[in-house]
Amino acid sequence: GAVVSQHPSWVICKSGTSVKIECRSLDFQATTMFWYRQFPKQSLMLMATSNEGSKATYEQGVEKDKFLINHASLTLSTLTVTSAHPEDSSFYICSAPHHPSGGTQYFGPGTRLTVL
Amino acid sequence: SQKIEQNSEALNIQEGKTATLTCNYTNYSPAYLQWYRQDPGRGPVFLLLIRENEKEKRKERLKVTFDTTLKQSLFHITASQPADSATYLCALDSHGGSQGNLIFGKGTKLSVKP
Repeated sequence: GAVVSQHPSWVICKSGTSVKIECRSLDFQATTMFWYRQFPKQSLMLMATSNEGSKATYEQGVEKDKFLINHASLTLSTLTVTSAHPEDSSFYICSAPHHPSGGTQYFGPGTRLTVL
Repeated sequence: SQKIEQNSEALNIQEGKTATLTCNYTNYSPAYLQWYRQDPGRGPVFLLLIRENEKEKRKERLKVTFDTTLKQSLFHITASQPADSATYLCALDSHGGSQGNLIFGKGTKLSVKP
C-alpha cells in the first residue's frame, strides 16, 4: 500500500527555536498534503492544507507566520514551527490522498514535538 | 457548527465478543464517512470508507453501517482479539466528498481482554 513517512519521529527543542518537520509520500505523488496536530486524548485537528506549487491554506486560528508550510515537490511537504513555545508541544501528523486507491488518505507516523 | 462525536471514550470487552463503536454527527450531510485505527504514538491507519448511499460495508471481521437519517455510523469488530486493542476514530470530509481535509472524532479506546 501507499506509504507516507515523517522525519523526525520526535524532537526536543528549546523555547524560541525553529523546528522543521518533513512529510514524504514514498511511492506516489501528492499535489496536496494535510497537516494535523493532536494533543493528548484529543482528536486530530487540521492545521493546514499544503499545495504543491502554491500557497498553503490555513484553518481558522492557525497562524501562518508561525507554522510555515512549503510543498517543495510532488512528494515532499515541510512544516516549520517558528519560535516554538511550550504550548506548541504536540503530536504533528501529515497525510496525503492516494488517488490510485480512490483518494484514501494515508497518514504519516507522526512527529512528537516537545518544546522546553 | 459541524460536530462529530464518538460517544464512548473507552470500551472494554472480552476476547471473542463483538465490539460496537458509535459515531454521531450534527449540522452536516456527508457524502461518506471513514473509520481509522490509531495506535499510541502513531498516525491513523485507514480501515473502511462508507458512502451515503451504502447502508453497510464489510471487510474481514469489520463491519460499518451508515444511517443518514439518524446521522450515525456504527463500527463493529466481530470475534475481537487483544490485537484489536487501539483507538478507533471516525472522520468526515469537511468539503463534502472531495476526500480532502477530514474532521475527526475524539476516538474510542478499545481494550480487548484475553
